Amino acid sequence: DAGITQSPRHKVTETGTPVTLRCHQTENHRYMYWYRQDPGHGLRLIHYSYGVKDTDKGEVSDGYSVSRSKTEDFLLTLESATSSQTSVYFCAISESTGGHEKLFFGSGTQLSVL
Amino acid sequence: LAKTTQPISMDSYEGQEVNITCSHNNIATNDYITWYQQFPSQGPRFIIQGYKTKVTNEVASLFIPADRKSSTLSLPRVSLSDTAVYYCLVGAQDSNYQLIWGAGTKLIIKP
Repeated sequence: DAGITQSPRHKVTETGTPVTLRCHQTENHRYMYWYRQDPGHGLRLIHYSYGVKDTDKGEVSDGYSVSRSKTEDFLLTLESATSSQTSVYFCAISESTGGHEKLFFGSGTQLSVL
Repeated sequence: LAKTTQPISMDSYEGQEVNITCSHNNIATNDYITWYQQFPSQGPRFIIQGYKTKVTNEVASLFIPADRKSSTLSLPRVSLSDTAVYYCLVGAQDSNYQLIWGAGTKLIIKP
């Protein structure tokens, strides 16, 4: 399996608190992604990165920010968590892009915002 | 953006061949078709990818007709461990590049 580690695996927090999720890869892949998965919605892209300090918004980026200071780490921050951000968050990596990349996913972070 | 349509769920039995069809009527010339498998509490896992005709690997085959408006994932001789959700994706690149994930097909294999 691809070397992708997400932390924490589970988190419970309160509305209005900041939360940071971490994705760490050992594959030296250029592209990294944050997705959220909710029942009935499949996976939705939050943000992605195409290199160190190069990031862009996805389909559902409102309320989220990201940072990538090193190739191996991609952080997702919820500045002020809301109950609508309760979800399972997946990090993914790929070597290439252009519609035919192979995505490798982490095990996910279950986030509950109370 | 290329959107895919798959059956919501399917049932089959151990030892059978299972075919899951995905439609993608507005697939673009340069788009590839990729299938992923997801077990509960895990991230999706790449199964197979193709552009046209037929692709086969150690776990599945992918059949793509000439018009590329659909594709069929074929799982030979399924077992209980193949129970999972299967996603069909079509590469969709625009100014905000992103793949479009549908709800997938929940495949249940019975003994």
